[in-house]
Amino acid sequence: SQTIHQWPATLVQPVGSPLSLECTVEGTSNPNLYWYRQAAGRGLQLLFYSVGIGQISSEVPQNLSASRPQDRQFILSSKKLLLSDSGFYLCAWSVLGGRGEKLFFGSGTQLSVL
Amino acid sequence: QKEVEQNSGPLSVPEGAIASLNCTYSDRGSQSFFWYRQYSGKSPELIMSIYSNGDKEDGRFTAQLNKASQYVSLLIRDSQPSDSATYLCAVNRGDSSYKLIFGSGTRLLVRP
Repeated sequence: SQTIHQWPATLVQPVGSPLSLECTVEGTSNPNLYWYRQAAGRGLQLLFYSVGIGQISSEVPQNLSASRPQDRQFILSSKKLLLSDSGFYLCAWSVLGGRGEKLFFGSGTQLSVL
Repeated sequence: QKEVEQNSGPLSVPEGAIASLNCTYSDRGSQSFFWYRQYSGKSPELIMSIYSNGDKEDGRFTAQLNKASQYVSLLIRDSQPSDSATYLCAVNRGDSSYKLIFGSGTRLLVRP
C-alpha cells in the first residue's frame, strides 16, 4: 500500500531563517506531488505541484520554492522566512486516474515563524 | 466570487440526525468532486468522490452532485460525535485534472 511521509511535524523558525520541508512517498511510482498551505481557519491553498522529476509548477508568487530531486521525493524550501509564511503545510500525492485527482495527504507540518 | 464556496458553520446537529453540508463551485468545466474530512490539527482525509450527476452512497455518507446548478453536497446519516470535524469540498479545475481547488470548509459539531 502507498504511504506518504512528511517531516517535521512542528517547526518554529525565526524570521529570515531558511526552511526545508521534506516529503517522500512509498509504494507507488511516478506520483503527482503537491504542496499545499493552510492558514489558520482557512482552506487549502495549492503552492506547487510536480508531475515528474525536475518538473515544478508554481501556483502563486511567493517566498517559497519547491524541488523534486527524485521520483518520490518533494522538498519545499525558503531562503528567508517571513511572518506570513506561518501555516500548516501539507504534502500530497496522487495518481492520475482518468477522472480527476484523488489526493492523499501527509500528516502535515505546523510552521510558526516568529 | 470564490472558486469553491462553503458555509463556514459551525453546523450543529444532535447525535443520530442527518447532517447536510453544501458546496458551490464556479468552474462549469469541473468534472471531479471530492469531500475531505479534517480533524483539528490533522491532515485532510478523503471520504467521498463523485463524478456524475445524482447521488453516490457509501455507508452513512451520501454525496450529491448537480452540475447544472454547480452544486455538490454531503449528507451524513446517523451522525455521531466522532463525525465532528471540518469538511472540505474540493473540485478539480476544468482546464486541468492535476489541480484540486478547496473550499474553506464547514465545521460540523455533533452534540451527544
